[in-house]
Amino acid sequence: GQNIDQPTEMTATEGAIVQINCTYQTSGFNGLFWYQQHAGEAPTFLSYNVLDGLEEKGRFSSFLSRSKGYSYLLLKELQMKDSASYLCVDMDSNYQLIWGAGTKLIIKP
Amino acid sequence: NAGVTQTPKFRVLKTGQSMTLLCAQDMNHEYMYWYRQDPGMGLRLIHYSVGEGTTAKGEVPDGYNVSRLKKQNFLLGLESAAPSQTSVYFCASRQAGQDAGELFFGEGSRLTVL
Repeated sequence: GQNIDQPTEMTATEGAIVQINCTYQTSGFNGLFWYQQHAGEAPTFLSYNVLDGLEEKGRFSSFLSRSKGYSYLLLKELQMKDSASYLCVDMDSNYQLIWGAGTKLIIKP
Repeated sequence: NAGVTQTPKFRVLKTGQSMTLLCAQDMNHEYMYWYRQDPGMGLRLIHYSVGEGTTAKGEVPDGYNVSRLKKQNFLLGLESAAPSQTSVYFCASRQAGQDAGELFFGEGSRLTVL
């Protein structure tokens, strides 16, 4: 089966740290992506994990545990411009992308 | 470098009308995709293409047709529009290969069917 679960909405404070979790259940696995989507705009690529562990890229980090079917996106030093939806995306055994519904992150001053 | 360009960006149709959305990419990408995005839902794949002259059905292909006559263009057609096809449509492209997973998106086309 193919199913991606992530929280619908989260709220955090400017300057703080937030972790957005994602669990996936696919019949095959070829990588896990995170995309950012601001309201009314197209998604933009943030990260790609295919091996277990943490990938750090500036203020954003992404973690993957294949055995647990689990990933998270960690955002540090939150800025108001980080208010957006964050989409967890799985690449299945046929190299097709399966999109989660996204987590809407609200940043408060 | 324009990237991925979609036209038109906005369109209002009456039920039963037909239209074509055009997607053009200038990055020489092999793979191209058409998605629709509805409120509270993830992107759903309509059709995709892995190369010039080839197309395949995605998750929600009914009511849509596509063509990839040229590598840089991917057209999405609605033969007889229905209100259920009111949505935001995104075109995307990427390089071939497993590791080339990053998708490049167009700005989106907002379609309303009355």
